[in-house]
Amino acid sequence: NAGVTQTPKFQVLKTGQSMTLQCAQDMNHNSMYWYRQDPGMGLRLIYYSASEGTTDKGEVPNGYNVSRLNKREFSLRLESAAPSQTSVYFCASRQPTGANVLTFGAGSRLTVL
Amino acid sequence: DQQVKQNSPSLSVQEGRISILNCDYTNSMFDYFLWYKKYPAEGPTFLISISSIKDKNEDGRFTVFLNKSAKHLSLHIVPSQPGDSAVYFCAARPLLTGNQFYFGTGTSLTVIP
Repeated sequence: NAGVTQTPKFQVLKTGQSMTLQCAQDMNHNSMYWYRQDPGMGLRLIYYSASEGTTDKGEVPNGYNVSRLNKREFSLRLESAAPSQTSVYFCASRQPTGANVLTFGAGSRLTVL
Repeated sequence: DQQVKQNSPSLSVQEGRISILNCDYTNSMFDYFLWYKKYPAEGPTFLISISSIKDKNEDGRFTVFLNKSAKHLSLHIVPSQPGDSAVYFCAARPLLTGNQFYFGTGTSLTVIP
């Protein structure tokens, strides 16, 4: 089992460029999440999807859009990248029934110049 | 506003001694708490959790203590091993919006051989 797979692992963008971070899980989990990790700020929730067909804003949604393509895939899009979006992005998934544990991917390091 | 706080960015401990990592929270609606461990260039991995109906949970060398009146939890690692050197995040989930998990800023633990 691969668990949670994120692509790409590394990306460099120029200010104003757009890109999409991809996330897929093979654990048949219902809920999926996007977090960003910044020094001194910990992990902050950008968006989450409680189930296929639903998405909700987290703590820091501005500048991002998400798509829950199907039960397996949850993508994060930056329409016009800004240097403030330089970060490490983590996707996670959770099976909510009786479970309170998030399973994370390995992360995607994004640099915006 | 950070709802989960880890006030110690770093901690160094001798191998074999006890490591104590602390976490404070402000939201009284949090009902489930978790600790995650993160190595460089990897995603966070689940370590141990505790429900608000308990005040202690133990798993091998790891014990989590919860003090609801003080809105404080701590992770004890005994004995500490060099392989425990990592960044530790505490996280909390609120009862009413159970899909969101809030993370602290992390504590970097170094276990000195």
